Formats: sequence, structure tokens, C-alpha cells
Amino acid sequence: GQNIDQPTEMTATEGAIVQINCTYQTSGFNGLFWYQQHAGEAPTFLSYNVLDGLEEKGRFSSFLSRSKGYSYLLLKELQMKDSASYLCAVLDSNYQLIWGAGTKLIIKP
Amino acid sequence: DTAVSQTPKYLVTQMGNDKSIKCEQNLGHDTMYWYKQDSKKFLKIMFSYNNKELIINETVPNRFSPKSPDKAHLNLHINSLELGDSAVYFCASSQDSETYNEQFFGPGTRLTVL
Repeated sequence: GQNIDQPTEMTATEGAIVQINCTYQTSGFNGLFWYQQHAGEAPTFLSYNVLDGLEEKGRFSSFLSRSKGYSYLLLKELQMKDSASYLCAVLDSNYQLIWGAGTKLIIKP
Repeated sequence: DTAVSQTPKYLVTQMGNDKSIKCEQNLGHDTMYWYKQDSKKFLKIMFSYNNKELIINETVPNRFSPKSPDKAHLNLHINSLELGDSAVYFCASSQDSETYNEQFFGPGTRLTVL
């Protein structure tokens, strides 16, 4: 079966750094997405990785290791507005997006 | 300008009723999707559709049916609503279905079945 694993919830302090991990087992791989979803709102795109390595985009970076079936989202200089759920999703061999359950990130002052 | 829009935003109805949720995208995308997000926040794909192919998640009951009058619209019709259908339903679109491309989500429709 296909499986995406992420921690259910994480807590971090404003101004700090947090790393949200995602491991996956899918039938084929055509890339991995990270989405942000604020409570009561729609998911919005953050990043896409298809090659191994780190992609940096402002305060957010995403890392991929295809051989390990592993990715992480790194958030720096945390702000209160970063409190949200972060969803990991993998595009499988049929170009179907397989979604993780999301990690709820709580930022404390 | 709203890229992906859904109506209604909230829908409260009785068990056994039939209801529809409308979705429109003005991005010129070829592929549209319907997702169900339940109370545990799991996003579950229900359908993906472009002008060539409808892909149905086999776990979706046949009470749910997508209807696409044109490539900018993909409506979701639900027959004989059940309590377990209560969830947030998201419409999304992407440029196409066979290459990398991010999905753009609508604001969601919160369906409550009483």
C-alpha cells in the first residue's frame, strides 16, 4: 500500500527553527509537495522537490532524499502566522497525489 | 480575482437529501479535482477529471458523482446524503494531470448532514 507518515503535532517558539519530517512509501515517485493549511482555509502550495537536496525559498526550505523515502520542511525565524497544518504529498507513478495527514504546528510566543 | 471558487461555503442539510456543490476555476487549467477532508484532517482524493478522462477513487460511494459542463467547471452531486458525508469538500485544479504542477484549491465547502 501507499503510505505517507508525518508527526501529528509539533510545538515551537516564535523566532526559532522547526523541522517537520515526512517519510513515504509509494508506487513510483514523481515528486513531493509541501502545502500549508491554516485552520478553516484551503491548502496552499509551499514547495515541490523531485531531485535530492535542499530547496530554499525565503524562510522555508524543503529537503528530499529519494533513496531514503524522506523529506523535511524547515521553517526559520518562526512567526505566529506560521501556526498551521503542513501537509506532505507525493506524486506517484500515475501522477496521483498521495497525501499525508498533516502536521499541526503550534507556535508559542 | 478568485482562481478557484466554490459555492456554497456552508451547507447544512438533512439525511436522505440530494445536494450539489459547484466549482469553477478561471486559471485555464485542464484538470480539476474533488477532495474530502474529514474531522481528522485527512485529505482524500475523490475524483480527478480532465476533458479526456475521469478517474474515480474506488472507495468513493456511487452516491457521489462529478458533473462537468465545461473544462472550467466541475460540480459535485451527492445523492441520499448520510451522516458520514459531513466533512469539508475542496475543489482544486492544476494545469494538467501528467506532469509536475501544483494544485490550486478552492476555499472549501463545509457540509453538515443532520
